[in-house]
Formats: sequence, structure tokens, C-alpha cells
Amino acid sequence: KQEVTQIPAALSVPEGENLVLNCSFTDSAIYNLQWFRQDPGKGLTSLLLIQSSQREQTSGRLNASLDKSSGRSTLYIAASQPGDSATYLCAVSHMYSGGGADGLTFGKGTHLIIQP
Amino acid sequence: NAGVTQTPKFQVLKTGQSMTLQCAQDMNHNSMYWYRQDPGMGLRLIYYSASEGTTDKGEVPNGYNVSRLNKREFSLRLESAAPSQTSVYFCASSPQGWNTGELFFGEGSRLTVL
Repeated sequence: KQEVTQIPAALSVPEGENLVLNCSFTDSAIYNLQWFRQDPGKGLTSLLLIQSSQREQTSGRLNASLDKSSGRSTLYIAASQPGDSATYLCAVSHMYSGGGADGLTFGKGTHLIIQP
Repeated sequence: NAGVTQTPKFQVLKTGQSMTLQCAQDMNHNSMYWYRQDPGMGLRLIYYSASEGTTDKGEVPNGYNVSRLNKREFSLRLESAAPSQTSVYFCASSPQGWNTGELFFGEGSRLTVL
């Protein structure tokens, strides 16, 4: 069964720093990986989707990388701002033997605080 | 520009009562999902509908039923609520087949069962 781990569970950094959030998964047979943002009391917002054939995706100050062989993905946030404070979750879509997508497994998230 | 809309946003039930959570999406997506989110447990899939007319069990389906009313709407029913069903429930949709594309979530429905 796929397991997704996010370390650290919580992170607090001063405004302006570049930072990296980590996501690791146990089964490298993945269809895609998504990074989400969740604000308190709100739903999840998709940030970046990386297909299994891709190595990275970029959107503005965000860059997500994927290394299937090592079972790792990182989310890089450049020049952090207080508005980036939120919980960040990664989710891995498993690939079944026929090549299609199977179940989606979520990590428990990293709670990020950017200090003004 | 509504996206995924869930109702109600908050609900308090007594043990044994029933209720239905409603979800509608206006993006013409094929797949829809119901998740629950609990502290320390993360997000867990209750039921999903890969396309209109089909529904399947997820990881934690016991105590729930679903209906894919049409392409837009996917409802979740609790027939006899239990305190263990106290949770935040999220509906989500995706444009292609299940888990192949970007997921769009609603704002959540916060349910307390006393």
C-alpha cells in the first residue's frame, strides 16, 4: 500500500526566505503527483500537478520536482511571503499494472508559517 | 465562477439522525469524489464516481451512501449518523478519468454528531 510522508510537519521561517517542503512515497509506480495548499477552514487548492513522465513543474514562485526512483518530490517556494502561510499537502496517484491511474494517497501536510 | 459547491457548510446531528450532503460542480467534469478529513488521519476517500452513472467505494465507505444524480451533482448520505462520523467532508471533481488530472475541491462541510 502506498504511503506518503511529509516532513517536517510544521515549519516557521522569516519572510523573504526561500524554502523547500518535502514529500516522500514508498511505491514508485505513480501516475502523477499533486501539491495542494489548504488555508484554515477552507478546501484544498491545487498548486502543481506533475505527471509521472515529468521531472518538474513551475508556477510563479513555486517549483515542484519529482524523482520517482528515489520516491521523492519537493516543493520550492521562492521569496516567501506572509500570504504563503498555509498547510501544504502532496498527493500521489498510484499506477496500476494496466498503466492507468488508481487510488490517490495524501500526505498529512506541512503547516507553514511565514513570519512578517 | 463557482467551481465546486457544497451544502450545508455546517451541521450538527444527534446520533441516529440522517442527512445528505450536497455537491455540485459547474466545470463539466467527469469524475467526482467525497473525502473526509480528520486530525492526524489526513484525507481519506469515502466514495467516488469516475463518470456519470457509476459509483464505487473508496477507503472508508461504511455508514455512507452516494448518488450521482447527473453529471453535475454527487450527494453523500449518512443514514444513521454516529459520533465517529464527526469530520470535515470535502467534495472534489476532476476533468478526466479518476485520479488522472487536477483535483478541484469544495470549501468543505463541517459535521458534528453528538
